[in-house]
Amino acid sequence: KAGVTQTPRYLIKTRGQQVTLSCSPISGHRSVSWYQQTPGQGLQFLFEYFSETQRNKGNFPGRFSGRQFSNSRSEMNVSTLELGDSALYLCASSLAGQDNTEAFFGQGTRLTVV
Amino acid sequence: QKEVEQNSGPLSVPEGAIASLNCTYSDRGSQSFFWYRQYSGKSPELIMFIYSNGDKEDGRFTAQLNKASQYVSLLIRDSQPSDSATYLCAVKWSGGSYIPTFGRGTSLIVHP
Repeated sequence: KAGVTQTPRYLIKTRGQQVTLSCSPISGHRSVSWYQQTPGQGLQFLFEYFSETQRNKGNFPGRFSGRQFSNSRSEMNVSTLELGDSALYLCASSLAGQDNTEAFFGQGTRLTVV
Repeated sequence: QKEVEQNSGPLSVPEGAIASLNCTYSDRGSQSFFWYRQYSGKSPELIMFIYSNGDKEDGRFTAQLNKASQYVSLLIRDSQPSDSATYLCAVKWSGGSYIPTFGRGTSLIVHP
């Protein structure tokens, strides 16, 4: 059974640019959550998608957005990049999300903004 | 504000010893508890989850949950250098979202 796949693995972008990250969840998983991880803040929740709808949202500015497709694959977009957006972006998939089942993480996308 | 607290460490133990990692949480409505291991530069990997009070064992790992005292711990028996990593505690609450809140993690170093 394939795990959670994130692409690309590494990205270098310039301030002001935008970036799109992709996440393919485990087959059969319908909930995809996105996290930002930095040394200073730890794992911070961005948003969760289920059945193509954003179901939960963390405390991030509107520059961070996402979407989910009918096959449960999800994309995350960050516009007008800032230096502080440099981080490891992780997505996690779970069966349905709003229950006690576990979430599995992808390998992450390491974003560096210069 | 729901919070999950972990001692950042590092916790240093000799090879073969028992490593004890602790996590406290703020909300009594917590439903489920997860331990993830994260090697440097890698993504978190699920080790164990526990829902009920008491102990849950899986190989060298034991998760202990005490809801009355609001803490969950992870014991690693016969620690190996390959266990050296950051261990993240995550807690899910009910009440509509079940979005896990993560602690900052405890760095574990197992020295030969």
